Amino acid sequence: DAGVTQSPTHLIKTRGQQVTLRCSPKSGHDTVSWYQQALGQGPQFIFQYYEEEERQRGNFPDRFSGHQFPNYSSELNVNALLLGDSALYLCASSSLGWNTEAFFGQGTRLTVV
Amino acid sequence: SQQGEEDPQALSIQEGENATMNCSYKTSINNLQWYRQNSGRGLVHLILIRSNEREKHSGRLRVTLDTSKKSSSLLITASRAADTASYFCATDNSNRGSTLGRLYFGRGTQLTVWP
Repeated sequence: DAGVTQSPTHLIKTRGQQVTLRCSPKSGHDTVSWYQQALGQGPQFIFQYYEEEERQRGNFPDRFSGHQFPNYSSELNVNALLLGDSALYLCASSSLGWNTEAFFGQGTRLTVV
Repeated sequence: SQQGEEDPQALSIQEGENATMNCSYKTSINNLQWYRQNSGRGLVHLILIRSNEREKHSGRLRVTLDTSKKSSSLLITASRAADTASYFCATDNSNRGSTLGRLYFGRGTQLTVWP
């Protein structure tokens, strides 16, 4: 049973470019959340997708957008990259329901130069 | 702002000793989850404890929750060098009417276990 998988593992982009990160949830999970983790900090919630719609959003600008596909996989897009967007981006999956565990992928390390 | 705050920020012990990490939070919660992270990689889920539970065990891990003090602790017994990692607590305070929880993390405790 595959867990949460993310791609790519590492990515280097130039300031002003756009990036797309991908996530496949754990088998049986239908909800995907994205988190940003800056160096030395805890993860910060970006947004959450369920039934192909954004259901909750954290305090991130509109440059951060996402999508969920019918097979529950998800993409995170970041436009007009800033140096401050350099971070580890984590995808978490869970099954719909109150009070359930969230499982994380290995993350994508994004470096903006 | 971040909900959970771990204490201490760093902990250094010898193999075989027990390690205790604490987490405090500010608002009422539905559950609290502990995660481990090795060298900036992904988060590994350790334990979920619900607000109506006081203690849970998993192998060498023991988690307690005191909702009156808004605090939790993670105890790792008989620690090993392989336990060296950052440990995070994350709280879910979505209300019962919501079926979608989101997690609030602290900055973590860096545990180093020396052989």
